[in-house]
Amino acid sequence: QSALTQPASVSGSPGQSITISCTGTSSDVGSYNLVAWYQQHPGKVPKFMIYEVSKRPSGVSNRFSGSKSGNTASLTISGLQAEDEADYYCCSYAGSSTFPYVFGTGTKVTVL
Amino acid sequence: EVQLVESGGGLVKPGGSLRLSCAASGFNFSNAWMSWVRQAPGEGLEWVGRIKSQTDGGTTDYAAPVKGRFTISRDDSKNTLYLQMNSLKTEDTALYYCTTLQRYGECRFWGQGTLVTVSS
Repeated sequence: QSALTQPASVSGSPGQSITISCTGTSSDVGSYNLVAWYQQHPGKVPKFMIYEVSKRPSGVSNRFSGSKSGNTASLTISGLQAEDEADYYCCSYAGSSTFPYVFGTGTKVTVL
Repeated sequence: EVQLVESGGGLVKPGGSLRLSCAASGFNFSNAWMSWVRQAPGEGLEWVGRIKSQTDGGTTDYAAPVKGRFTISRDDSKNTLYLQMNSLKTEDTALYYCTTLQRYGECRFWGQGTLVTVSS
């Protein structure tokens, strides 16, 4: 069971929109609308940002949105702000695999 | 307010054992699925394993790198989650997080983590 593939880094200027991809397989991302996203600032605990591909928990800014097409899920950050600079991880349900969940490799977002 | 407080981390030699604890409060622990997630220094998040609530069978599942060496358990009377780690390897060095776990893998709440260092 391999980790989901994310770009190592994505950057953007304040106010811009960026998109982070998360590519899996037909056994995980492609089979279930059960992708979550986490934000982790340096030295901090991961924060739960998105679940079931596109739903936001209470308190998460609506600048964060999720989507999915085929085996690839995406996280879009609109109106990029300095505070969005962090690492982002996706996670997918993987059904009856060796272990039922799989994380992505992580993406470092830099605000230029 | 949900609180998860891990303890028990430290320095251990390869081949040694360690038991981590996670004290939970602010939610109905006995009805909750729980998990352990780890993060090696400078690396990404990695699943360790999960435990279901007793009402859902209390069963455990483990990620391949730790299967057969690590054991997750829970004491609902103490609102505490445990991770028994045996036959530790240098590659088990990581910050270990305790998390609440929704059925399909969402970790809504995280502890601050406890650092485990495996080194001779």
